[in-house]
Amino acid sequence: AQKITQTQPGMFVQEKEAVTLDCTYDTSDQSYGLFWYKQPSSGEMIFLIYQGSYDEQNATEGRYSLNFQKARKSTNLVISASQLGDSAMYFCAMREGQGRGKLIFGQGTELSVKP
Amino acid sequence: DTGVSQNPRHKITKRGQNVTFRCDPISEHNRLYWYRQTLGQGPEFLTYFQNEAQLEKSRLLSDRFSAERPKGSFSTLEIQRTEQGDSAMYLCASSFSTSDTQYFGPGTRLTVL
Repeated sequence: AQKITQTQPGMFVQEKEAVTLDCTYDTSDQSYGLFWYKQPSSGEMIFLIYQGSYDEQNATEGRYSLNFQKARKSTNLVISASQLGDSAMYFCAMREGQGRGKLIFGQGTELSVKP
Repeated sequence: DTGVSQNPRHKITKRGQNVTFRCDPISEHNRLYWYRQTLGQGPEFLTYFQNEAQLEKSRLLSDRFSAERPKGSFSTLEIQRTEQGDSAMYLCASSFSTSDTQYFGPGTRLTVL
């Protein structure tokens, strides 16, 4: 079974509008971390935002926020006021267990921002 | 630039040759990770180090792959007897052991002809 599922291979959004990218995860661990990374065409993975499994509030970081629903095992990324530079691949990832290093990534969603 | 650096950025080799990649982490970070990313996929974990100790290896890391971090600073990833299926982007990341967040380098793109 997939540990991280991103069901949207591609998304379009109009500039200045908000967009939600979906991610569901599967783990039996009580302690885990959830991440979103952006990968532009240049290839570098850019860290965006993190949510710990014990965090009670949804994480926010500038124009990025998470809609973390623990019972549903989902952590959707919301990008507000989309900009042309937001066009990229977006990856959801999970770190299982406490103190472990390995990240498990989803297959990604390609976001295209239209002017 | 104090980010993660990787060299070379691109490598083209013939099948059967050996290749070695280098990663220099963010200087204060004691953890270093290697991932492989093929076209259209998310990165897949290969291995990681805490200081000079290799703490975890993926089953993806066959006998032809070896990684080292001899002094707990930079790391090398060597692929022996390359195969066409090894063509991929090899990504390095680093972090503090007390933090979950991994910061990635620009990657080394390997093409095996």
